[in-house]
Amino acid sequence: EAGVTQFPSHSVIEKGQTVTLRCDPISGHDNLYWYRRVMGKEIKFLLHFVKESKQDESGMPNNRFLAERTGGTYSTLKVQPAELEDSGVYFCASSPLGDDYEQYFGPGTRLTVT
Amino acid sequence: AQSVTQLGSHVSVSEGALVLLRCNYSSSVPPYLFWYVQYPNQGLQLLLKYTSAATLVKGINGFEAEFKKSETSFHLTKPSAHMSDAAEYFCAVNYNQGGKLIFGQGTELSVKP
Repeated sequence: EAGVTQFPSHSVIEKGQTVTLRCDPISGHDNLYWYRRVMGKEIKFLLHFVKESKQDESGMPNNRFLAERTGGTYSTLKVQPAELEDSGVYFCASSPLGDDYEQYFGPGTRLTVT
Repeated sequence: AQSVTQLGSHVSVSEGALVLLRCNYSSSVPPYLFWYVQYPNQGLQLLLKYTSAATLVKGINGFEAEFKKSETSFHLTKPSAHMSDAAEYFCAVNYNQGGKLIFGQGTELSVKP
């Protein structure tokens, strides 16, 4: 069974540019989560999808971040325009409904904004 | 606000020595508790979890953790460290099944030969 995959693994962009991160959850997992770790800080929750609906987006830092999960499969997280403080590692996780204590994490996307 | 504290951002032990990584949470309501490990260039992997069953939880790779409600703690231990245990360890909690995880700051474990 394939795990959670994320693309790209690394991205370096300039301030003001746009970047789109993608997450493919484990097949059949209706819960999908985005987290971020800024250097030197703890991993912080961004948002949670159940299928295609946003269940909790309380962690989204501002309206420069847009997350989508069309069709309830893969998800994208767009940052537009990117700022220096957006640099960090963005993790995606998924879990099945009804057995969702454990969240399965992807390897993360390291975003560097210069 | 609910928070998780991991004491020590870096811990170094000798191979064969006891590993003790500390985790405390701040809440009067017992949460669900987790320890994750991240090896270099990999995603987070679940080591073990406490979901209100036995207070002593055994996980993978010989790790275990004990939930102590009176101390609001969930410390991670392993009797004998291996070189392969070198990684970053994260304590996390959530307060509703399927909800967001709240993480501690992470502890990087080094194992000396």
